[in-house]
Amino acid sequence: ENVLTQSPGTLSLSPGERVILSCRASQSVTSDYLAWYQQKPGQAPRLLIYGASNRASGIPDRFSGSGSGTDFTLTISRLEPEDFAVYFCHHYGKLQDTFGQGTKVEIK
Amino acid sequence: EMQLVESGGGLVPPGGSLRLSCAASGFSFRDNWMYWVRQAPGKGPVWVSLISSTGNTKAYADSVKGRFSISRDNARNTLYLQMNSLRVEDTALYYCVKDTSSGWYDVWGQGILVTVSS
Repeated sequence: ENVLTQSPGTLSLSPGERVILSCRASQSVTSDYLAWYQQKPGQAPRLLIYGASNRASGIPDRFSGSGSGTDFTLTISRLEPEDFAVYFCHHYGKLQDTFGQGTKVEIK
Repeated sequence: EMQLVESGGGLVPPGGSLRLSCAASGFSFRDNWMYWVRQAPGKGPVWVSLISSTGNTKAYADSVKGRFSISRDNARNTLYLQMNSLRVEDTALYYCVKDTSSGWYDVWGQGILVTVSS
């Protein structure tokens, strides 16, 4: 099992700030099969990024993903009020799916 | 619009059973692999089970193997999860999820709560 460790656990920030979230895998992620999701209270996760760096349909360009191998990053260039949420990384590949424990981005 | 709607959750005592259903619409259900993913309060999602488009391939997380059974009815566009010998640690929000051909999850249901408690 490829264990995904996200850091930090919680970030307290103000609107307009730049955010960098980390996801580290215990084993190399095959073919950059790494996705990022946003989850707000009472809602299902929403796909933001797939293939480590590809934005999903309808996702604003302030969201970007990067990385390869075992180290991946989600960057929000400028926080908007609607971006305060929990973010999860996900290693997918049919029979080897694992998720990180999440990073909460809260209003400072 | 692609949509997944779960039903069948509720409160059940330890050792009990539940059958979750997931009604799919807005996409070709028969062409997609489908998943069940669960999330305990305040925790990250956890993959539970998958089933291939034809139903020929099924897989389960070690924590539910031998107790849960996934199935699908492509004529009714419906996914199922039969949960037996339920344990307190199975308490979670259960999501029905569709993946893309490359494997990332692009559509999630709204989730259905399963509570195992005496």
